Amino acid sequence: KQEVTQIPAALSVPEGENLVLNCSFTDSAIYNLQWFRQDPGKGLTSLLLIQSSQREQTSGRLNASLDKSSGRSTLYIAASQPGDSATYLCAVSFPYGNNRLAFGKGNQVVVIP
Amino acid sequence: DGGITQSPKYLFRKEGQNVTLSCEQNLNHDAMYWYRQDPGQGLRLIYYSQIVNDFQKGDIAEGYSVSREKKESFPLTVTSAQKNPTAFYLCASSPHSTGGLGANVLTFGAGSRLTVL
Repeated sequence: KQEVTQIPAALSVPEGENLVLNCSFTDSAIYNLQWFRQDPGKGLTSLLLIQSSQREQTSGRLNASLDKSSGRSTLYIAASQPGDSATYLCAVSFPYGNNRLAFGKGNQVVVIP
Repeated sequence: DGGITQSPKYLFRKEGQNVTLSCEQNLNHDAMYWYRQDPGQGLRLIYYSQIVNDFQKGDIAEGYSVSREKKESFPLTVTSAQKNPTAFYLCASSPHSTGGLGANVLTFGAGSRLTVL
């Protein structure tokens, strides 16, 4: 069974510091991995999608890496801003079972001005 | 603009009542999903549908029902059999869910918050 873990559950950083968020999954047989952002009381907004054949994706200050063999992805946010305060979730898509998508519980981030 | 519309945003239910949450998408996606989100528990799958007129139970389907009569619509009914329905409900869709590059690449709606009085 595919399980996704995000550590730490919550963290605070001073504005301007780089953020590093970790996601690990137990089965390397995946189609893709998505990183989402969720603001309180809102839906999920897709940030980056990494296909299983890719090593990383970049969008502005965001960079996500994927190491399938070790079951890890890292979301890196450069020069954090207070507007980056949110919960970040990762989800992996995999090719077996009825429910072929597994979510982590999220990293709750607070950027302190 | 293409996207997913969930309504209502807030809903209050008395015990013993059934309520229906609406989810409409204009992305021409084949697959649609309903998730429940509770604090500290992450997202849990209630039901999903890969094609019109077909749907499958997720991990926590008891007390819920769905229909998929049109590709664009996937309403969720929270029945009186659901003992603890207070939660945040999220609808999502993806181009398809059966494999390949587009597998389970999700777009989410803004969510509906249900509170039982």
